[in-house]
Amino acid sequence: EVQLLESGGDLVQPGGSLRLSCAASGFTFSNLAMSWVRQAPGKGLEWVSAIGGSGGGTSYADSVKGRFIISRDNSKNTLYLQMNSLRAEDTAVYYCARTTPYCSTTSCYISGLADGRDVWGQGTTVTVSS
Amino acid sequence: DIQMTQSPSSLSASVGDRVTITCRASQGIINYLAWYQQKPGKAPKLLIYAASTLQSGVPSRFSGSGSGTDFTLTISSLQPEDVATYSCQKYNSVPFTFGPGTKVDIK
Repeated sequence: EVQLLESGGDLVQPGGSLRLSCAASGFTFSNLAMSWVRQAPGKGLEWVSAIGGSGGGTSYADSVKGRFIISRDNSKNTLYLQMNSLRAEDTAVYYCARTTPYCSTTSCYISGLADGRDVWGQGTTVTVSS
Repeated sequence: DIQMTQSPSSLSASVGDRVTITCRASQGIINYLAWYQQKPGKAPKLLIYAASTLQSGVPSRFSGSGSGTDFTLTISSLQPEDVATYSCQKYNSVPFTFGPGTKVDIK
């Protein structure tokens, strides 16, 4: 079964750190770009970060640049989001997604759709509060 | 950065009605636009990509159109299961910004 399972969400104090994990199964993880998307309570979707299949080509939203680091361990089929210097405005449900925008040198496309499936995790909740 | 806006922010329509949601980019994005549906407590679901390509398994009552700066998502005949929030996302370049969303419910 094609699946993404996030973990690591927690209550953390402002200024603290947290690492989210997203375990992938049922597909060739190393071939595909992956991303993180978040949704603050009562708010819309916000793209956070993306990473290429080999681990290169990382990108970030301005709101998290310099504080968050996306990475992956293809031997463990796992995507990570290291979140540092957390702020109250980082409080959100964080989703990992195989359905990921990706731009090569010549064009952009939605990656992860080759098998016809749109794959997202169930979300993990991060609350930043004292 | 390119800003994404949507209109209306919410709408209420009857079952069977034709519903149109508009997404506008502050600069041209060619056709690098996707539409998502999200129900409360659930992950987003991809409906449309490349402005008008229907994702596999999505009912044909959903369609997308547009290019450049102006895009539309149309539900040809609204069904009760279509109650959700619909968001556009541009992906011509980083950041891959989402629109603010349009909440659709049944009158």
